[in-house]
Amino acid sequence: AQKVTQAQTEISVVEKEDVTLDCVYETRDTTYYLFWYKQPPSGELVFLIRRNSFDEQNEISGRYSWNFQKSTSSFNFTITASQVVDSAVYFCALSEAWGGKLIFGQGTELSVKP
Amino acid sequence: DAGVTQSPTHLIKTRGQQVTLRCSPKSGHDTVSWYQQALGQGPQFIFQYYEEEERQRGNFPDRFSGHQFPNYSSELNVNALLLGDSALYLCASSLGGGDQQPQHFGDGTRLSIL
Repeated sequence: AQKVTQAQTEISVVEKEDVTLDCVYETRDTTYYLFWYKQPPSGELVFLIRRNSFDEQNEISGRYSWNFQKSTSSFNFTITASQVVDSAVYFCALSEAWGGKLIFGQGTELSVKP
Repeated sequence: DAGVTQSPTHLIKTRGQQVTLRCSPKSGHDTVSWYQQALGQGPQFIFQYYEEEERQRGNFPDRFSGHQFPNYSSELNVNALLLGDSALYLCASSLGGGDQQPQHFGDGTRLSIL
């Protein structure tokens, strides 16, 4: 069965601190996709990144970076020099290669204080 | 370029009633997925529509049904509402096909059952 675990329910940091959000996944598929979404208080899920199972290269986009390690089934997300606007709930998600279903973790609520 | 739009924004119903939620996909997208997000939880996949047919379904009872129209818009219908159906209902659209394209989400419909 497929499963996504985000063990950190809530994280609170002070502005400019670096923060890492953990994501561990389970799947028997050899081909799959991993995603991160951000959900601000408005409710809309904002797509941040997609990774397929064959691409383990880490990715950096501005202050955001992602570390994908198949050996530990993890896909962690780091925000460098956090800002108040980063405050939101962040979801990690997994999907099969040919299906549309996204399996989400429980989410991590990040609070960045000034 | 309009994103995913959902209506209504909020809805209050009583137990036993029926409800219809609506979704217009992002321009150029032909696939619509529906998710239920209970408070404090990650979204749960309800079903996905492609070419006006239900392509994949999650673990939801038959009280949950849907439809996709030729213009790719979609409706989610829930019959015999229960208190436990209170949640944020999210619609997501994507481009169909074999590759798992990122799903883009709307702001959701917040459904409250009294």
